[in-house]
Amino acid sequence: GQNIDQPTEMTATEGAIVQINCTYQTSGFNGLFWYQQHAGEAPTFLSYNVLDGLEEKGRFSSFLSRSKGYSYLLLKELQMKDSASYLCASQDSNYQLIWGAGTKLIIKP
Amino acid sequence: GAVVSQHPSRVICKSGTSVKIECRSLDFQATTMFWYRQFPKKSLMLMATSNEGSKATYEQGVEKDKFLINHASLTLSTLTVTSAHPEDSSFYICSATLAEYSYNEQFFGPGTRLTVL
Repeated sequence: GQNIDQPTEMTATEGAIVQINCTYQTSGFNGLFWYQQHAGEAPTFLSYNVLDGLEEKGRFSSFLSRSKGYSYLLLKELQMKDSASYLCASQDSNYQLIWGAGTKLIIKP
Repeated sequence: GAVVSQHPSRVICKSGTSVKIECRSLDFQATTMFWYRQFPKKSLMLMATSNEGSKATYEQGVEKDKFLINHASLTLSTLTVTSAHPEDSSFYICSATLAEYSYNEQFFGPGTRLTVL
């Protein structure tokens, strides 16, 4: 079957680091995406992983372990503008995305 | 980067009327366009996948006669919500993919907020 799990909500402090986890079960797995979505707006692309390991892009990094069906998004030096929902989505062999429900990240001063 | 636009961004209509939402890829030709619906605090729900010149493929539970999708060109897809009812009120988002991208990243439009009174 197809399934994506991620925490519903997380809280972190400005300037700190936060890790958002995502586990998936996807037939014909073809990559894992992370998107950021601010309230009332469409998602924006953050990262794509198809090979195991860590990919770093500025303050954001994404990790994938295919054998464990696990990914995480790491946000460093948190800023207030990082308050948003973070959506994990796996892609199947037909290039369709299976979406998680999103993790609402609350940043406190 | 690839830009996708949607029009209108917000629409309020009376129950029983039909509403058309346009999705355009502005600087690229999209091989495939997707239509999503998002309820408050919920993830994106794929409604249908459309390829230019062919009929859309609807997800299970999505009424094709209710949500008409037309993909007339490689840069335009439209979603028409027919005989809209208050339960159709939602945030509708389209996305488009580029054939040149090896992983077929989806580029999202800004979304359309539909409110049916």
